[in-house]
Formats: sequence, structure tokens, C-alpha cells
Amino acid sequence: DVKVTQSSRYLVKRTGEKVFLECVQDMDHENMFWYRQDPGLGLRLIYFSYDVKMKEKGDIPEGYSVSREKKERFSLILESASTNQTSMYLCASSPSSGGTYEQYFGPGTRLTVT
Amino acid sequence: AQSVTQPDIHITVSEGASLELRCNYSYGATPYLFWYVQSPGQGLQLLLKYFSGDTLVQGIKGFEAEFKRSQSSFNLRKPSVHWSDAAEYFCAVGAMNTDKLIFGTGTRLQVFP
Repeated sequence: DVKVTQSSRYLVKRTGEKVFLECVQDMDHENMFWYRQDPGLGLRLIYFSYDVKMKEKGDIPEGYSVSREKKERFSLILESASTNQTSMYLCASSPSSGGTYEQYFGPGTRLTVT
Repeated sequence: AQSVTQPDIHITVSEGASLELRCNYSYGATPYLFWYVQSPGQGLQLLLKYFSGDTLVQGIKGFEAEFKRSQSSFNLRKPSVHWSDAAEYFCAVGAMNTDKLIFGTGTRLQVFP
């Protein structure tokens, strides 16, 4: 079974802190994704990585950066957390397939910025 | 631009009743379509997917979906809902020429005993 793990289920940070959210997948997938989930807005793509050190901005990249130094690990970084970044963050991975393969999701990290 | 619309934000059904969740998509070619379920506090789990062939697709947990090209729809159905089906359901379409998915805004299903 594909397994996608996220470093924390719940996280509370203060405004202005630098925040790291970590995601690890164990299926040698080329693609990894970070989404933000808010009520009524569904899933919005923050960043997408299609290979080590390769990344592409999603729909809402402002205020976020990412790092992918190893194939299995994809980190989301909030350089200076703000209260409007309070949200559920979901990581996903998939094989490189021209869109034919489903994405596999981690359990999510609920981040609260106070 | 590609898009997915789930017109129902919230649906309530009684346990044992039938269920249909609506999904409409906008896409320029044959789409790759997915339905995911998210139980409270969890990540998303794939229910079923459609790429080509038979337009009626069977998934896990007794769900099925029917692709109707003429209506640009991919509605999810279940003949008899169980209390454990209470969750949020997301429809998604594979974005053209990429590995990205475009998600709808979700439908929250509530099941009454």
C-alpha cells in the first residue's frame, strides 16, 4: 500500500514564526503536491513538484515555499506565518503518468496560527 | 479553463436511502475523472476513477459513478447509504497535459439513523 505521512496532525504556531510541514511517501512517486483545504473552497494547490529539486507554483503559492531535496520528501515552508494561513494542509503523491493516476493523500496537518 | 462543479454543498439522507452526488466538469477532451472521500479529520481516499471504456464505474464501499459525456457529468451513486458513509466527497478531473488534479469544492454528506 502507498503510504504518505505528514510530520504533524496538529500544529499551533505564533504569527511571524517560520513553519515547516514535512511530507514523506514510500512508493518512489515522481510527483508530490501540497494543498490547502478550507471550508467551502475545496482543495487548492499550493505547490507541485515533479522531480527532485523541481517545483511548480500552484494556484495559491503566495506566502509559501517548498523544498524537495530527496525524492521521498517534500516540505512546505511558511516563511512568516500569518493568521490567514490557519488551515488544513494536505500532502499527496502520484506516479508520473500524464494525469491517469490517482493521487495518494496523507492524513493532513491542521495548522493554527495565533 | 478546466473546472469541476459540485452544486450541492451539503446533503442529508436517512440511513438506507439511496444517494446521488452531482459533479459537472468542463474539459476540452476525454477527461480523467475521480471521486474521493474524506472522513472527518482524515486525508482523502480514492473511491473510483474513470479513464475510458464502460461509462458505469464501480468503486469501493458499494459506490458507483456514471460518466455522461453529453451532460458533462460524473455523478456518484449508492443504492443504500450506511451511517459510516457520512463524510465529505470530492470530485476531481485530471488537468490536461499535467499530473495535476482539479478538485470541486466538495459535498458534505450527513446520514441520519
